[in-house]
Amino acid sequence: DQQVKQNSPSLSVQEGRISILNCDYTNSMFDYFLWYKKYPAEGPTFLISISSIKDKNEDGRFTVFLNKSAKHLSLHIVPSQPGDSAVYFCAASVSYGQNFVFGPGTRLSVLP
Amino acid sequence: SAVISQKPSRDICQRGTSLTIQCQVDSQVTMMFWYRQQPGQSLTLIATANQGSEATYESGFVIDKFPISRPNLTFSTLTVSNMSPEDSSIYLCSVEYQDRGELNTQYFGPGTRLTVL
Repeated sequence: DQQVKQNSPSLSVQEGRISILNCDYTNSMFDYFLWYKKYPAEGPTFLISISSIKDKNEDGRFTVFLNKSAKHLSLHIVPSQPGDSAVYFCAASVSYGQNFVFGPGTRLSVLP
Repeated sequence: SAVISQKPSRDICQRGTSLTIQCQVDSQVTMMFWYRQQPGQSLTLIATANQGSEATYESGFVIDKFPISRPNLTFSTLTVSNMSPEDSSIYLCSVEYQDRGELNTQYFGPGTRLTVL
């Protein structure tokens, strides 16, 4: 059973527009969430995190929203740039210091 | 953030042989993790390696197949033993690190791309 889901395997967005990547989870004990970006032939790069005490966290062009009641989080990238084209993974853990469960990833393509 | 390097970056191996992957971190970290990313799939945790104790393996992974060493707080190795083509994957080392006052976050090495013929 997949505990972390990213139902869109791919997403295409025009440069300058908003990219919205979604992530759903089934384990209500998850209380810490991360987003990673991965380019081909490279390891995942940490982007942004959010804990369950918040519903929003912002870092530059990246904002993560958490809706605990819906067990849903989303990553917004505004404005999208061609360099944002990568695979984005959502990850969740039940507490700090515990291993993360990763979603299957969404491939984002930002078109010039 | 922690800077993580892995050796080798890629290798092509024959069935039945073993390969040891090295992971070096530029900071002392307590928790190190080894992940696998099979083609077209997400990251799957193989084991957690803490210095001074035995590695903890996830369901489906065993020590005889994936022995791990953690001799100090900056280094770890993962061996893929008696390889078969199904072991062809990217193997990633990861560490838990607290950065800029943020909550502990996992950072990843560049990965080792293994192809087994």
